[in-house]
Amino acid sequence: QKEVEQNSGPLSVPEGAIASLNCTYSDRVSQSFFWYRQYSGKSPELIMSIYSNGDKEDGRFTAQLNKASQYVSLLIRDSQPSDSATYLCAAHPEDSGGYQKVTFGTGTKLQVIP
Amino acid sequence: EPEVTQTPSHQVTQMGQEVILRCVPISNHLYFYWYRQILGQKVEFLVSFYNNEISEKSEIFDDQFSVERPDGSNFTLKIRSTKLEDSAMYFCASSKQRGLETQYFGPGTRLLVL
Repeated sequence: QKEVEQNSGPLSVPEGAIASLNCTYSDRVSQSFFWYRQYSGKSPELIMSIYSNGDKEDGRFTAQLNKASQYVSLLIRDSQPSDSATYLCAAHPEDSGGYQKVTFGTGTKLQVIP
Repeated sequence: EPEVTQTPSHQVTQMGQEVILRCVPISNHLYFYWYRQILGQKVEFLVSFYNNEISEKSEIFDDQFSVERPDGSNFTLKIRSTKLEDSAMYFCASSKQRGLETQYFGPGTRLLVL
């Protein structure tokens, strides 16, 4: 059973701080990783994708991937109250035969305190 | 800004009844998806659809489920004989390309099976 694990939180950070969200996955051959933001009662919104080891930056967001440790993280710099949401990590298993069959984690709830 | 729309927003049905959930993907998108999220649980991939056929499906997507693009704009998910455990939020999504980087989710249909 391929799993994506996240700490459910809540993770509380003060406004302006860096929020660090972590994710581990059990399937060593997973190749593609995604971070989604989901506000309460709303649909997921893709914010980052990462495929290679290392860092990928997009504005205030940085995704980090370490395939040897089977670890993905998302850093949010200068956290804002509007960043308060649940962040979902998702992995695409190599053997799915395609490009859409992702496995989601349960998500980490982030609270940014003004 | 173009968006994915879903109807109805809420549906209540009796166990054993058939339900059809409707989605209108973004007009120039070619790939279509259904996900579900049981309350408090992870988002689960159900099925992806391209060129009028299923391209990938999960173990959840059994013979009780079917998808159809009946008229070139709508994309439907049919559950033939609903069970209590089908109660969930169902999200439709569409993307322009084969991967998930251009994927947008609809607002979801909350299905309650009594």
